[in-house]
Amino acid sequence: GNSVTQMEGPVTLSEEAFLTINCTYTATGYPSLFWYVQYPGEGLQLLLKATKADDKGSNKGFEATYRKETTSFHLEKGSVQVSDSAVYFCALVEEHGSSNTGKLIFGQGTTLQVKP
Amino acid sequence: DTGVSQDPRHKITKRGQNVTFRCDPISEHNRLYWYRQTLGQGPEFLTYFQNEAQLEKSRLLSDRFSAERPKGSFSTLEIQRTEQGDSAMYLCASTRGSSGGAGSGANVLTFGAGSRLTVL
Repeated sequence: GNSVTQMEGPVTLSEEAFLTINCTYTATGYPSLFWYVQYPGEGLQLLLKATKADDKGSNKGFEATYRKETTSFHLEKGSVQVSDSAVYFCALVEEHGSSNTGKLIFGQGTTLQVKP
Repeated sequence: DTGVSQDPRHKITKRGQNVTFRCDPISEHNRLYWYRQTLGQGPEFLTYFQNEAQLEKSRLLSDRFSAERPKGSFSTLEIQRTEQGDSAMYLCASTRGSSGGAGSGANVLTFGAGSRLTVL
């Protein structure tokens, strides 16, 4: 079945450090890939997405590239801030042509802590 | 657009009691999803609706769980005879679903803040 695997956390970084959170997936079709972020006390928010191989999603300084050959969608940011402290979820939606349920399959989440 | 609203935000109940959660999606969204999230885990799919029709249910959804979306607008998730293992955050999400092809914006789910259930 379809699945998403993320690197274990917590990830603790100093402000302005480089961030990578690894994500790999297993899917039988042609998934779209997403990163969602959950700030303390808030709901999940879409951070970025990519819909086909070699697409790069980007938002708020975060980037992730859809790598079909390695089935990966690693999240990166060049310089993290304290305000980036949150839980990050990688997710996929499998799409089959014109038929899709829109159902997201999530990884287990990676907690990022950024210290000043 | 007021986003996806969930009520109550937190419910504490005793084992064996029934609880009901409500979700109000974004008004023009015809698809509505329920997920469950336990501590340290990602959200797990429970069920989804397209308009008033419940189109898929996860095996996680035991017969003590029932969800409805009677008029294709708000939805309720009821848990009967709660057990301690039901303690979790219950998330609702909605989207403007369509039969659009890969990468359509229809697949961007908007989530509510969740309803946290604690079963004592």
